[in-house]
Amino acid sequence: ILNVEQSPQSLHVQEGDSTNFTCSFPSSNFYALHWYRWETAKSPEALFVMTLNGDEKKKGRISATLNTKEGYSYLYIKGSQPEDSATYLCAFGSGNTGKLIFGQGTTLQVKP
Amino acid sequence: NAGVTQTPKFQVLKTGQSMTLQCAQDMNHNSMYWYRQDPGMGLRLIYYSASEGTTDKGEVPNGYNVSRLNKREFSLRLESAAPSQTSVYFCASSTRQGTYQETQYFGPGTRLLVL
Repeated sequence: ILNVEQSPQSLHVQEGDSTNFTCSFPSSNFYALHWYRWETAKSPEALFVMTLNGDEKKKGRISATLNTKEGYSYLYIKGSQPEDSATYLCAFGSGNTGKLIFGQGTTLQVKP
Repeated sequence: NAGVTQTPKFQVLKTGQSMTLQCAQDMNHNSMYWYRQDPGMGLRLIYYSASEGTTDKGEVPNGYNVSRLNKREFSLRLESAAPSQTSVYFCASSTRQGTYQETQYFGPGTRLLVL
């Protein structure tokens, strides 16, 4: 059974703080690592898809890195804003089938 | 473009009743997926369809059936609902035929309560 673990489970920060969280995944048979942002009462929305070891992606204040050899990815948020409050999901591409295995998510709450 | 749409938004069933959750996408995507989301469990794949005419089991297929009616529509059927199937169900689609690199686009979800 493939396991994708995210930590921490939840995080509370003040507006302006920078933060990061971790996604751990199997280091063998790596195909892709996805990050999604999921606001309450909405649908998950894609942030990044990363496929190569050492990949770094950036979208505004949010960036992500990937280490496939050791099986982890970091998501960074610089200068958190209240609108960044959401659950951040990572998902591991399991084989060349399109199937994704999701972690349980990290819920971020940014206090004004 | 509506993207991915799901009906109904909310449903209450009694144990043993059957129902079909509908999903449609207007993005001309090849692949479609059904997930369930339970507290502390993340999203778990129930079934997926890599392309029109094909379906395959995901992580938690027991108690469900699916139909890929055409390229746009992918339905999920509960033949005899059980309380353990109380969950939020998400449909998703992606562009290419069953590849791991493609972003998945999610519908708004269906909340199902089985009493």
